[in-house]
Amino acid sequence: QVQLMQSGAEVKKPGASVKVSCKTSGYIFIGYDINWVRQASGQGLEWMGWMNPNSGNTGYAQKFQGRVTMTRDTSIGTAYMELSSLISDDTAVYYCTAAVSYYNPAAYYPFDYWGQGTPVTVSS
Amino acid sequence: DIQMTQSPSTLSASVGDRVTITCRASQSISTLLAWYQQKPGKAPKLLIYKTSNLERGVPARFSASGSGREFTLTISSLQPDDFATYYCQQYDTYWTFGQGTKVEI
Repeated sequence: QVQLMQSGAEVKKPGASVKVSCKTSGYIFIGYDINWVRQASGQGLEWMGWMNPNSGNTGYAQKFQGRVTMTRDTSIGTAYMELSSLISDDTAVYYCTAAVSYYNPAAYYPFDYWGQGTPVTVSS
Repeated sequence: DIQMTQSPSTLSASVGDRVTITCRASQSISTLLAWYQQKPGKAPKLLIYKTSNLERGVPARFSASGSGREFTLTISSLQPDDFATYYCQQYDTYWTFGQGTKVEI
């Protein structure tokens, strides 16, 4: 079955960077985009960006451009999201998602598989 | 950017109640709307895609409709497992979520 397993909780100081991993299994990694979504405590869901694991092409929400980098290692079916210049407002749970059932390379799609989430705390 | 607005933000209901959540888009998104259910400490779960299509395994008491800018999610008879927060998401142009509706007892 499709699984997305994320790395563990992180605590970072303001100004630092964090890199979260998302190891996939149960499907063809390079066949479907990976998206990243975050959620601050008690808040809603915020889309951060997408990555095509086959080409490495990415697209980032304007809010995060210049601070976020999404990469992958196709040999181990793992996607990464790195966020730099962290501030306290970046404290959130970060999720990777995949759209295995409804993927459309020519358009957009809903997210049917989610990782368990990685809590990131930014505090001095 | 397309903005999504849900109402109400919180909904108090009882087991057996029929509940409806509304989601409005800032511009037309055709039928490219999904609904997710999220429970505390868990990742969101896809319930409905393309406005009205139930994801595999989602109970038939969930239904949804709409088009253009206005959409609704209805639970016909609320069950204990349904107390959660619900989010709409547009995927017409990139992705945007509504702010969520918490369904509480």
